[in-house]
Amino acid sequence: ELKVEQNPLFLSMQEGKNYTIYCNYSTTSDRLYWYRQDPGKSLESLFVLLSNGAVKQEGRLMASLDTKARLSTLHITAAVHDLSATYFCAVDQYALNFGKGTSLLVTP
Amino acid sequence: DTAVSQTPKYLVTQMGNDKSIKCEQNLGHDTMYWYKQDSKKFLKIMFSYNNKELIINETVPNRFSPKSPDKAHLNLHINSLELGDSAVYFCASSQAPSGGSSGANVLTFGAGSRLTVL
Repeated sequence: ELKVEQNPLFLSMQEGKNYTIYCNYSTTSDRLYWYRQDPGKSLESLFVLLSNGAVKQEGRLMASLDTKARLSTLHITAAVHDLSATYFCAVDQYALNFGKGTSLLVTP
Repeated sequence: DTAVSQTPKYLVTQMGNDKSIKCEQNLGHDTMYWYKQDSKKFLKIMFSYNNKELIINETVPNRFSPKSPDKAHLNLHINSLELGDSAVYFCASSQAPSGGSSGANVLTFGAGSRLTVL
């Protein structure tokens, strides 16, 4: 059974700081997705990583994929309050299998 | 124009009742999904249809019955509702089924239907 593990599950960070969210998965896959969910809202696609070494950046967020280590990271640079949300990674195998999500709170 | 729309957005009902959630997508996608998000925000695939054919049927009680009248619509009917069915149900669609061999397959999600069983 495919396992997708994110850590941390909860993250409180100050504005202006940097941090990384980790996503480990238990099967060979070269397709990894990151989604964002605001409270009470739908899921919004952030990044699609399709090969080993893939790196994508959008604003203060950067995602990378290491398929050999079965690891993806979501790096947050100089956090701002608007980034407060829950972030999910998902691995594409048979269906999109989601991690448990990382609830991020950015405080002044 | 909403890409993936679900109705109703909220459902409050008593145990034992039957309820339905409807989903429609106007993206021209071939594949549609139902996901369940529990109170801890964990998202789990329930069903997937590709061009009206059921292709994923996870371990879900048979009180849950999906129906896809055409590739733009996927409904979910739930019989004999139980307390544990309380959750947010998300419909999603994609160009092709997950796990396929080619390229990205981004899922577009609906706004969710929050079901509360009392």
